[in-house]
Amino acid sequence: AQSVSQHNHHVILSEAASLELGCNYSYGGTVNLFWYVQYPGQHLQLLLKYFSGDPLVKGIKGFEAEFIKSKFSFNLRKPSVQWSDTAEYFCAVTPNSGGYQKVTFGIGTKLQVIP
Amino acid sequence: DAGVTQSPTHLIKTRGQQVTLRCSPISGHKSVSWYQQVLGQGPQFIFQYYEKEERGRGNFPDRFSARQFPNYSSELNVNALLLGDSALYLCASSLGAILAGGGETQYFGPGTRLLVL
Repeated sequence: AQSVSQHNHHVILSEAASLELGCNYSYGGTVNLFWYVQYPGQHLQLLLKYFSGDPLVKGIKGFEAEFIKSKFSFNLRKPSVQWSDTAEYFCAVTPNSGGYQKVTFGIGTKLQVIP
Repeated sequence: DAGVTQSPTHLIKTRGQQVTLRCSPISGHKSVSWYQQVLGQGPQFIFQYYEKEERGRGNFPDRFSARQFPNYSSELNVNALLLGDSALYLCASSLGAILAGGGETQYFGPGTRLLVL
């Protein structure tokens, strides 16, 4: 069964600092990868996703993630964070092995951006 | 357009009771998935329904069951509640089923917060 590890559970940054949130997955085959975000008081929503092709994926609000197959990683990055990026971020994975699949989420990383 | 809606928003039950949670997907969406999110954890997959049939089930006991109606809304039932069932229950809808290699995006509802005393 697949699993997802998010290394940083709580990150505090000042505005304009660069962000990198780690995500590693364990699964023997090919995967589809996602980052979801939950802003305070809002629903969980998709930030970006990787299915195939270019391993550098760009999402909404200036976020991007790079899929490194050899490292089983899909880290989320943003060059300059804003106070409005304060939220909880979840990495998720789906096996690309055919048929109906389930989405497995990581534990989440709470990001706090200080003005 | 209305997003995914869930009812009730909050619920308090006692051990041994049964609970039914409801989900209405975005209009036109045919797939509904249910997740359990315990405090401090990420969402855990419970069920996926597509075209009114169960298409996937997570590692949850048989006390958990669900169904999808002809209008694609869905209910999640939990019998014989335990303290450990206290969690936020999330419903997510998508146009099509969540398939390997597929491009479906899931849209999440606000959740139902269940407290079991």
